[in-house]
Amino acid sequence: GIQVEQSPPDLILQEGANSTLRCNFSDSVNNLQWFHQNPWGQLINLFYIPSGTKQNGRLSATTVATERYSLLYISSSQTTDSGVYFCAVATGNQFYFGTGTSLTVIP
Amino acid sequence: KAGVTQTPRYLIKTRGQQVTLSCSPISGHRSVSWYQQTPGQGLQFLFEYFSETQRNKGNFPGRFSGRQFSNSRSEMNVSTLELGDSALYLCASSYETGGQETQYFGPGTRLLVL
Repeated sequence: GIQVEQSPPDLILQEGANSTLRCNFSDSVNNLQWFHQNPWGQLINLFYIPSGTKQNGRLSATTVATERYSLLYISSSQTTDSGVYFCAVATGNQFYFGTGTSLTVIP
Repeated sequence: KAGVTQTPRYLIKTRGQQVTLSCSPISGHRSVSWYQQTPGQGLQFLFEYFSETQRNKGNFPGRFSGRQFSNSRSEMNVSTLELGDSALYLCASSYETGGQETQYFGPGTRLLVL
């Protein structure tokens, strides 16, 4: 299967700081999504981004498919941004998840 | 539209028992995928169903099975439960077969095997 590596594994930020999360994948994919998992386990869609750049409020993402990586940018972080961020890629019908970046935003 | 729903939300079973989990996708979605999440193994793909057919299966033993009904609702069954089956089981749905579209996840079922 496809290997998905996320970095950093853990991140602690002061409220208001910016951060960049990275996702590297080992093979060509036809789907890439970023998710935020809240403390109750719910996975929330952030971006569907197999290529290109998208922005949604304080969050933005860029995927460079030819170089097999994606970046998630969080600006002006808030305590509610805390949780685990997952990158998931798919080829065909099967998704492969990274191990996640655990983000803690402290006030 | 209502989101993906999963029942039950919490479940406690003992070793050797079997369990059935249910997932109702977003209305109009035809693809349902199941995942197991554990602290040690992370999120792992179990299987995907599309229009009542299993399209893909992850690397899990035959004790894990599933099915999809004509209304796209899906169930997964785990027989002869083991302690290691304790996990959060997540279901996701999408309109088309999962590889090409955004997947939407349900809240999960937390299974504890004693």
